[in-house]
Amino acid sequence: LAKTTQPISMDSYEGQEVNITCSHNNIATNDYITWYQQFPSQGPRFIIQGYKTKVTNEVASLFIPADRKSSTLSLPRVSLSDTAVYYCLSGSGNTGKLIFGQGTTLQVKP
Amino acid sequence: NAGVTQTPKFQVLKTGQSMTLQCAQDMNHNSMYWYRQDPGMGLRLIYYSASEGTTDKGEVPNGYNVSRLNKREFSLRLESAAPSQTSVYFCASSEQGQGVYEQYFGPGTRLTVT
Repeated sequence: LAKTTQPISMDSYEGQEVNITCSHNNIATNDYITWYQQFPSQGPRFIIQGYKTKVTNEVASLFIPADRKSSTLSLPRVSLSDTAVYYCLSGSGNTGKLIFGQGTTLQVKP
Repeated sequence: NAGVTQTPKFQVLKTGQSMTLQCAQDMNHNSMYWYRQDPGMGLRLIYYSASEGTTDKGEVPNGYNVSRLNKREFSLRLESAAPSQTSVYFCASSEQGQGVYEQYFGPGTRLTVT
């Protein structure tokens, strides 16, 4: 499974759009890109997944350029409750086995 | 629908003691996983079970054993606990098939080995 690289931390203010970029230079043809969110003392929670171009759901958008070597998670109009650690993962396989990196700690300020 | 449940929530062990962490899911998922998370780090896979009756090692299996008791339950056993096993342990489950499936995580077990 390909290794991912993402910023260790980011700060934002309520109401702003937050973009977290992840690098996955060695992504394989069959790999998908997945993002999880984790609050303190809880297990990670799935946010969004994509293979190429753009994917949007009720909480986020995921932008993947044509070369797929990076991806950007976009959180529109963040609130204090979006303060969490965000993990980017790339991988594939029948087992759904995932390798989590260190994640990005997002701090949303009032 | 409780999702993924784990017991206990907290545990303190002395070096050399043994214990079993329990995990159950009610989503009829085929695949189940055990991860550990150390401070400031991501999750590392210990063992996984792609389907009932099968188990495989993950990234950090040394010092652990697992049992897939049935489709719902997947337990993790520490035979002789060591301080290096102090961590938060998460169980997860997912569908099985082609592609990457969303994993559903339990609330975790916080284990301290003294």
